[in-house]
Formats: sequence, structure tokens, C-alpha cells
Amino acid sequence: QVQLVQSGAEVKKPGASVKVSCKASGYTFINHATHWVRQAPGQRLEWMGWINAGNDNTRYSQKFQGRVTITRDTSASTAYMELSGLRSEDTAVYYCARRGDSFDYWGQGTLVTVSS
Amino acid sequence: EIVLTQSPDTLSLSPGERATLSCRASQSVGSGYLAWYQQKPGQAPRLLIYGASSRATGIPDSFSGSGSGTDFTLTISRLEPEDFAVYYCQQYGSSPYTFGQGTKLEIK
Repeated sequence: QVQLVQSGAEVKKPGASVKVSCKASGYTFINHATHWVRQAPGQRLEWMGWINAGNDNTRYSQKFQGRVTITRDTSASTAYMELSGLRSEDTAVYYCARRGDSFDYWGQGTLVTVSS
Repeated sequence: EIVLTQSPDTLSLSPGERATLSCRASQSVGSGYLAWYQQKPGQAPRLLIYGASSRATGIPDSFSGSGSGTDFTLTISRLEPEDFAVYYCQQYGSSPYTFGQGTKLEIK
């Protein structure tokens, strides 16, 4: 069965960076894009960007351009999302999702807390 | 950027009733790339509907989607206790892929 398992919760100070991993299983990793979506407390879901796991192409939301980097390791069937220059407004649950029929499978989410 | 506006913000209904949720886009959604998700507290979103009207794997036929262009609807024909949650629409036809603000479906 398809599963996306994300890394654990993180607490970071303002200005730091965070890197979240998303390990895929149950399907051929390079055949599907991996997207990243975040949800701040009480807010709507917010799309951040995606990576074509087959050819390593990426595309980012303009809002996060310059601060977010999405990478992948095909040998480990894992995608990564790194967000730099963290501020308090980046406190959120970060999700990875597989692009199949829309975003058909999601990771369990990773809480990133930014606090001094 | 396509802005999605859902209505109502909160819908109070009883089990067994019919629910109708609306999603309006600020511009036409390309190729009908409109999805609906269900989210319960502490959980990741769950895909219900893609392509405006196709049910995802394992989704009961009490859930149906309709619409095109800028106006879309999610209908739950007969509410079960486990259907009370927050519902989001999403357009994935043009980047940035955007979500609505959500409709909270609560028990009356």
C-alpha cells in the first residue's frame, strides 16, 4: 500500500533552517511528483512547491521562492523540503503529498515550531 | 493566482441529512482540475473527489462532485457521523495550486 512517512517534529529559532523528509513506499517513486503543502494553526492549506522525482525538476510558489528548496534521493525513495530564514509565521504542519489523481496520498505531517 | 472561496464557512446539519458545499473560483479552473478533501482534527487531508466529479479510491458513493468553469459543488447525500469534518476544495490546473478556506461541517 502507498505510504508517505515524514520526519518528526522540529523546534527552530528565528533565522534558522529546517529540513523535512518524506519517505515513499508502495509505488515507483520516480513515476510521481511529490508536492509540499503547509497548514498554519487555524489556517487554510497552502501549496509550497513540487519536485518531479523522475527528472529532478522543481517548481515553487512565488511566496516561498528563494527560501524553499525541494530535493529528492531516488535511491532512498525520499523527498526533502528545506525552508530557510524561519520566522514565527512559518510555524505550521508541513505535509508531503503524492501527485496522482490530484494529491492522492499524504504524509502524516510534520509540526515545525519557530520560537525564540 | 486563482482564489477559491468556499461557502458557507460553517454548515450545521444532522446525521441523515443532505449537505451541499460550494466552491467558487476567481477564474476558470483549467481542465476541470478541481479536487475536494476532507480533514479531521490532527489528521492529514484525505482526497475525496478529483477532476471535479470523479470519486477517489475507497470513497463511498454518498459523496459526489459537480461543476465546471468557476462554480463547483460537493454533495454528501446522507450524512454519517464520521462525515463531520472540515472540507477543502483545491484547484490544481495552474500554479500556484490553491485551496479554499474550508467549510466546517458540524453536527446540529
